[in-house]
Amino acid sequence: KAGVTQTPRYLIKTRGQQVTLSCSPISGHRSVSWYQQTPGQGLQFLFEYFSETQRNKGNFPGRFSGRQFSNSRSEMNVSTLELGDSALYLCASMAGEKLNTGELFFGEGSRLTVL
Amino acid sequence: GNSVTQMEGPVTLSEEAFLTINCTYTATGYPSLFWYVQYPGEGLQLLLKATKADDKGSNKGFEATYRKETTSFHLEKGSVQVSDSAVYFCALSDGSGAGSYQLTFGKGTKLSVIP
Repeated sequence: KAGVTQTPRYLIKTRGQQVTLSCSPISGHRSVSWYQQTPGQGLQFLFEYFSETQRNKGNFPGRFSGRQFSNSRSEMNVSTLELGDSALYLCASMAGEKLNTGELFFGEGSRLTVL
Repeated sequence: GNSVTQMEGPVTLSEEAFLTINCTYTATGYPSLFWYVQYPGEGLQLLLKATKADDKGSNKGFEATYRKETTSFHLEKGSVQVSDSAVYFCALSDGSGAGSYQLTFGKGTKLSVIP
């Protein structure tokens, strides 16, 4: 069974640009969530989608947005990039509806560098 | 809000040494608790979890017991191997509402095991 696939794996952007990251969950998984990982702040929750509906959103500015398609694939977008947006962006999918009964499977991440 | 505090690393141990990584938490309701591991160049993997007080999670020789009275979920292994070298993250999922869909992570503890 294929794991969670994230594209692109690495990308470099300049301040003010925007970026779109893609995530393909494990087949059959309906929940997709996104996390930002930085050396200073660690792992922080961005948002979670289940069957195309955003169920929860973390404490990030409106420049960060996401969506989920009917095939459960998800994208996240960051507009007007800032230097501080440089991070590893991790996508995770889950078969169940809640974390206490399900398990998150993480992709290898998309490493964004903002110059 | 929810928070997870885990011991700062890095931790360096000799092979076959005993490992303890401390983790304490603050949460509303009845959280589920998790340990995730991140091997170099890979995404996070669930190592073990516990969903209610006094539950013990175990996997690959690692154990952790959900202690509600001390709000702790310390990770232990009796004899570490070089292959255990990785970053270990303690995390919780709030049992209430939208918190059921997101993880709050600790900062991570880097473990290096030397032969």
